Amino acid sequence: GAGVSQTPSNKVTEKGKYVELRCDPISGHTALYWYRQSLGQGPEFLIYFQGTGAADDSGLPNDRFFAVRPEGSVSTLKIQRTERGDSAVYLCASSPTGTWGETQYFGPGTRLLVL
Amino acid sequence: KQEVTQIPAALSVPEGENLVLNCSFTDSAIYNLQWFRQDPGKGLTSLLLIQSSQREQTSGRLNASLDKSSGRSTLYIAASQPGDSATYLCAVRDNYGQNFVFGPGTRLSVLP
Repeated sequence: GAGVSQTPSNKVTEKGKYVELRCDPISGHTALYWYRQSLGQGPEFLIYFQGTGAADDSGLPNDRFFAVRPEGSVSTLKIQRTERGDSAVYLCASSPTGTWGETQYFGPGTRLLVL
Repeated sequence: KQEVTQIPAALSVPEGENLVLNCSFTDSAIYNLQWFRQDPGKGLTSLLLIQSSQREQTSGRLNASLDKSSGRSTLYIAASQPGDSATYLCAVRDNYGQNFVFGPGTRLSVLP
């Protein structure tokens, strides 16, 4: 079946603007994760959803970042008042149930550039 | 706070060589460890997942080992090929959260 998909693949915006990044997990996966990867670094955890609820949002850097998953499938990461430091690749991953020991399946990412 | 490091940061080898990539983590209370491959502009592809109770996992030319007590894992690639060129990421899931903590990666180039 289809893997994790993310849209858009690339996003260029100006400092101060609002952006939304979308993630479509593998069908039936209840767990969904967002990570951020800066150039030359490994991905850093942002937020984890189990179903519709954010089970762990400890990785969100500040209150400009917010994510939702209203129906327990598609998720949207929202960034307000973007800053140049927000430029990175935003990766989404999903897993079947979120139980310990499961692997996570990653999407191709959205490359965000804030000018 | 768990920290993951990878050595070397970059590696260039001729085709056919066997090679070892290293991963270290600071907190041995991990649930599992996973090696990923990342091609430029692409997402992550899972290579091998080792549970904390396991010592190693093998898939084709890849073998990953885990020494939890010393906080180390190695990824062994046998008979390297140009198609193996990519960034290899090590990630641990500890006992405190659902997310992976990633290392910075090793950028591998296999020259024909």
